[in-house]
Amino acid sequence: EVQLVETGGGLIQPGGSLTLSCAASGFTVGSNYMSWVSQAPGKGLQWVSVIYSGGATYYADSVKGRFTISKDNSKNTLYLQMNSLRAEDTAVYYCAGHPRKYYFDYWGQGALVTVSA
Amino acid sequence: EIVLTQSPGTLSLSPGERATLSCRASQSVSSYLAWYQQKPGQAPRLLIYDASNRATGIPARFSGSGSGTDFTLTISSLEPEDFAVYYCQQRINWPSTFGQGTKLEIK
Repeated sequence: EVQLVETGGGLIQPGGSLTLSCAASGFTVGSNYMSWVSQAPGKGLQWVSVIYSGGATYYADSVKGRFTISKDNSKNTLYLQMNSLRAEDTAVYYCAGHPRKYYFDYWGQGALVTVSA
Repeated sequence: EIVLTQSPGTLSLSPGERATLSCRASQSVSSYLAWYQQKPGQAPRLLIYDASNRATGIPARFSGSGSGTDFTLTISSLEPEDFAVYYCQQRINWPSTFGQGTKLEIK
């Protein structure tokens, strides 16, 4: 059974930094595409970033230059380093594994990030 | 960026009825479109990929069709557990984008 477990969410002041982690079991992070998808309270889904099995990365324009996606294959864990956080970054952040490359087959339970003074 | 527009915003139906949800893309996405179901407090679940292929474990009452810019998700006979929000997603390029969602509610 595939499990993705996000940790690291919380309350952070505007301009601050936070790192989310996503630990995988039953699924190999290093061999698959992995993404972060956000959902602001009461809103729809927004793709944030992807990292390919080979390490290439892509970002949504709204987070480019502020967020960094990475992975540790030895720990089977995905990360999202979030810098210069803004109120509009407030959302539940899901990690998603996609063995089909471009569709999000597996999802974590989400980590809530609240950016507020 | 490809914009996906879903309609209707809310669909009110009764169990046993047929549901038809629409997703229109601002430019062709070929058949590179997926559908997801999300229930309150839960993560989304992949239902359909490549426009018409059911994901693992998805009941046969869910079907997808379309190509290019117009896509449809059909639920042939609604079960109580099908009332949720449904999103389409395109994957022809990055950034991948989602539609704004259709809420399927019990009438």
